[in-house]
Amino acid sequence: QKEVEQDPGPLSVPEGAIVSLNCTYSNSAFQYFMWYRQYSRKGPELLMYTYSSGNKEDGRFTAQVDKSSKYISLFIRDSQPSDSATYLCAMLKTGANNLFFGTGTRLTVIP
Amino acid sequence: NAGVMQNPRHLVRRRGQEARLRCSPMKGHSHVYWYRQLPEEGLKFMVYLQKENIIDESGMPKERFSAEFPKEGPSILRIQQVVRGDSAAYFCASSPPGGQNTIYFGEGSWLTVV
Repeated sequence: QKEVEQDPGPLSVPEGAIVSLNCTYSNSAFQYFMWYRQYSRKGPELLMYTYSSGNKEDGRFTAQVDKSSKYISLFIRDSQPSDSATYLCAMLKTGANNLFFGTGTRLTVIP
Repeated sequence: NAGVMQNPRHLVRRRGQEARLRCSPMKGHSHVYWYRQLPEEGLKFMVYLQKENIIDESGMPKERFSAEFPKEGPSILRIQQVVRGDSAAYFCASSPPGGQNTIYFGEGSWLTVV
């Protein structure tokens, strides 16, 4: 079983829709949670970083962490065609050096 | 550009040749990480370095792969005697000291072994 599971999609939504992206994990040692956006043939771009359970908002993006369920989410409001990319969740254990990534969800926002 | 700089962006090597990938961290960052992304797979950690020190190489293949981060100059990931299975995107990332939770990635180096 992978330590981080992410539905690869693909996910297609119309412009303006609310997008929900999710990851689950199995190891309670993960304490830091990140979301990265990766455009085709580009490097991952850090979008959100959270530590505690709860919500964190940044513009149209909201990251949600539920440590009791080992479940994290990224919500994108008013989605735009420019949001079309692969979204990667990543997690870090306390005191560790390496991020564990999900396989990514490919999102397409249709104009 | 103050971001993580990687070169070359694209590299083609024949089986058995050597590949050298370079990475300059963001300004002010002293920690460098290398990750590999195989087709249809997620990013996998390879190695974590600080200047002149390998801190964690638990993700590095035991043979043919090596990494360094000298006192002067960029970090280098070296792959000797490349095989087709080494074809992948190699990403370098950097963070400030103690900032493993805010890691910034470069644009990647795409290695193709023919």
